[in-house]
Amino acid sequence: QKEVEQNSGPLSVPEGAIASLNCTYSDRVSQSFFWYRQYSGKSPELIMSIYSNGDKEDGRFTAQLNKASQYVSLLIRDSQPSDSATYLCAVLPRDYKLSFGAGTTVTVRA
Amino acid sequence: KAGVTQTPRYLIKTRGQQVTLSCSPISGHRSVSWYQQTPGQGLQFLFEYFSETQRNKGNFPGRFSGRQFSNSRSEMNVSTLELGDSALYLCASSFEPTATNYGYTFGSGTRLTVV
Repeated sequence: QKEVEQNSGPLSVPEGAIASLNCTYSDRVSQSFFWYRQYSGKSPELIMSIYSNGDKEDGRFTAQLNKASQYVSLLIRDSQPSDSATYLCAVLPRDYKLSFGAGTTVTVRA
Repeated sequence: KAGVTQTPRYLIKTRGQQVTLSCSPISGHRSVSWYQQTPGQGLQFLFEYFSETQRNKGNFPGRFSGRQFSNSRSEMNVSTLELGDSALYLCASSFEPTATNYGYTFGSGTRLTVV
């Protein structure tokens, strides 16, 4: 079982819609959770971090964490063409080796 | 404020050679981590340094090594290159060890091609 698994893409959404990205992790004592965005040919860019159960909002992005279900998600509201990228879920497990999921590629259709 | 700087951006090496990649973290950041990114395996953790000490190491062979200097700059070395080492090597820095609270800021990467 992989440490971090993301829903397989690609995910195509119309402009203005909500894009929903999901991630599960295997180490239940993981303590820190991050979402990175990576444009094609570029390096990952941190867009959200979350540490406690519940929702965290930052602009059009909302991260949701449920430690009991070992689940973290990212919602992108009012999706824009500039949101088209690969989104990487990253989890800090007990061994402190930040582990990344394979990524979900999102395409926003104009 | 300068970001994480990696040099060189591109590198072509022959099998059996060795290579050294360089990373300068954001000013004030003392933690530097290295990742290998390939289409098949995604982002895989190589190692992390904090204050010149290796704090953590991923599941890579001993051909992969690194070090950190007193000014927090880091180098990664790969000896006896194999074709499978072709990848994007990313360096990331943070204020704190393991980036627990702030996450990492990544550099632009070094694209290594082994022929």
